[in-house]
Amino acid sequence: KAGVTQTPRYLIKTRGQQVTLSCSPISGHRSVSWYQQTPGQGLQFLFEYFSETQRNKGNFPGRFSGRQFSNSRSEMNVSTLELGDSALYLCASSFGPAGGDTQYFGPGTRLTVL
Amino acid sequence: DAKTTQPPSMDCAEGRAANLPCNHSTISGNEYVYWYRQIHSQGPQYIIHGLKNNETNEMASLIITEDRKSSTLILPHATLRDTAVYYCIGLNAGGTSYGKLTFGQGTILTVHP
Repeated sequence: KAGVTQTPRYLIKTRGQQVTLSCSPISGHRSVSWYQQTPGQGLQFLFEYFSETQRNKGNFPGRFSGRQFSNSRSEMNVSTLELGDSALYLCASSFGPAGGDTQYFGPGTRLTVL
Repeated sequence: DAKTTQPPSMDCAEGRAANLPCNHSTISGNEYVYWYRQIHSQGPQYIIHGLKNNETNEMASLIITEDRKSSTLILPHATLRDTAVYYCIGLNAGGTSYGKLTFGQGTILTVHP
């Protein structure tokens, strides 16, 4: 079974631009979570989607948004990029209905904001 | 979800067992203990999880104390490829913290030749 895939793997943007990252979960998984990892803050939860609905959200500004499609694929968008948004963005998928299902992570998208 | 405490770093000789401790004294009865590891700049890798009983899989063993206030992850024969940051996480089974894993600083395990 294929693992979680994320595209693109690397991205360079400039301040003020927007960016869209994509995540394809493991086949059969319906929950997708997104995380941001920076050297200063570590791994932080952004939001989670299940059956196209956002069920949980972390403490990030409204510039960070996401969505999930009917095939469980998910995208996250960051608008008006700031230098501090440079980070490794990770998505994880799980089977889903229960909040405690095991999550499996993708390789991440490395975003650099210049 | 329970707050977990781990030592910031540990060393281990290649071929020896690596025993990584985790304190989770505030864990509730329906919270699982999950272990993940992250090799530099890769996505975290699921290792193992447990509730009350000790667990073993092809990667590791998990020993949970009877009072569930602490646990130990055991890598039976550490290799250089096991050098990584190891995270111990408490997760409420069926809870409403949907999809949210709370990562601490973890333990940096360095395996030496």
